[in-house]
Amino acid sequence: GIQVEQSPPDLILQEGANSTLRCNFSDSVNNLQWFHQNPWGQLINLFYIPSGTKQNGRLSATTVATERYSLLYISSSQTTDSGVYFCALGFGNEKLTFGTGTRLTIIP
Amino acid sequence: DTAVSQTPKYLVTQMGNDKSIKCEQNLGHDTMYWYKQDSKKFLKIMFSYNNKELIINETVPNRFSPKSPDKAHLNLHINSLELGDSAVYFCASSSRTGRLKNIQYFGAGTRLSVL
Repeated sequence: GIQVEQSPPDLILQEGANSTLRCNFSDSVNNLQWFHQNPWGQLINLFYIPSGTKQNGRLSATTVATERYSLLYISSSQTTDSGVYFCALGFGNEKLTFGTGTRLTIIP
Repeated sequence: DTAVSQTPKYLVTQMGNDKSIKCEQNLGHDTMYWYKQDSKKFLKIMFSYNNKELIINETVPNRFSPKSPDKAHLNLHINSLELGDSAVYFCASSSRTGRLKNIQYFGAGTRLSVL
C-alpha cells in the first residue's frame, strides 16, 4: 500500500510565525487532501490538491506529484491554527491513506 | 445544516455489549466510509460503500458490521465490544462525479470508550 510520511511530527511556534509542513508519499496518486484536526477532534478539509498550488487566505498548499511530495504553508500563525495536520492520499474516491500527522502548537 | 452527521458523539459502554453508530450525509454523495482513529491519532479505513454496495472491507474483526440502508446512510454495528475497540470512529462521504468529486468530507466523529 501507499506509504505516507509527514514531517515534522511536532512543531511549536510563536503566534505570527510562518510554517511549512511536508508530506512525502511512495506511489503515484490522483487524490491528495490536507486536513486540520482541531483540538475538539473535528477533521476540517483544507485542500484537495493532487497536483499544483492552491491558496486559501493564510494557508496555501503545493503538490509536486512527479516528485511525490506535498507542502502545506501556514503564514502569520494564530492560536486557532493549533491542532494536528494530516495529509491523506488515494485513487479516485477509494480509501484515503493518512499520514501520521504534524502536531502544531501556536503559543500566544 | 451539517453535511455528514454521526450519532452519538460519545458512547461509553461495558465490555461485551453491542452498540451501533449512525451516519447520515445530505450532500448527495454516492460513497460512504468508516475510519477508525486510535489513541495515537492514527487514522485508518475500515469500510467503504458505493451506492449501498460494500467496496472496501479492510482487515476488521467480523464483530464489526456496516449496514447501508440507502446511499445517504451508513451505520456501524459492533458486537461483543472489547477494550481495544475504544477509539474515535469517523464517517465520511464523497462522490465519484461532479465538480467536487473524490473529495472526502468527514463527520465530527464518535468517541467510543469501552470499560
